[in-house]
Amino acid sequence: GIQVEQSPPDLILQEGANSTLRCNFSDSVNNLQWFHQNPWGQLINLFYIPSGTKQNGRLSATTVATERYSLLYISSSQTTDSGVYFCAVGVSNTGKLIFGQGTTLQVKP
Amino acid sequence: DGGITQSPKYLFRKEGQNVTLSCEQNLNHDAMYWYRQDPGQGLRLIYYSQIVNDFQKGDIAEGYSVSREKKESFPLTVTSAQKNPTAFYLCASSISHGGGELFFGEGSRLTVL
Repeated sequence: GIQVEQSPPDLILQEGANSTLRCNFSDSVNNLQWFHQNPWGQLINLFYIPSGTKQNGRLSATTVATERYSLLYISSSQTTDSGVYFCAVGVSNTGKLIFGQGTTLQVKP
Repeated sequence: DGGITQSPKYLFRKEGQNVTLSCEQNLNHDAMYWYRQDPGQGLRLIYYSQIVNDFQKGDIAEGYSVSREKKESFPLTVTSAQKNPTAFYLCASSISHGGGELFFGEGSRLTVL
């Protein structure tokens, strides 16, 4: 089955810094989503981005489907950005989303 | 407000007991999902349902059962056959299976004593 690898596994930033999270996947996908899991466990959908680039405030994401990777950019990080960021990909023959292991981000004040 | 409601948020169970986790959505979504998350891990798919009265096994279905009698509801039963049931359980929905954004409930944390 498809493999999803996220890097780095852990990241510590000072408030105000920028960061880039990466998601590599091993096969063609028709669905790719980024999620943020807050310290209470709630998962929030950040982007639905099987290809192209999207921006939402300080966050943006780019997926290069032909090269099988996606990037999540966080600019001017805030302490509320802390948590775990997951990438999930789906392939058309199953429709199921496969989650990566996540990147744990800690933003220090 | 539209969303997904899971209950209970916390549940303790003795070994050998079955327990049912509730998941209700008012988003009018056709597809619903149950995921399991262990500490420091990603999410693994237990069961999913593309439409009412239909459901399929995910990657780790052994020891679990589900039903989908109503569009809004997708309860998960953790049976005594599940060898390691202590985990965080997340319910999700999307407008259709394999399409569109996935939305999650707040989760149910099950601890087996």
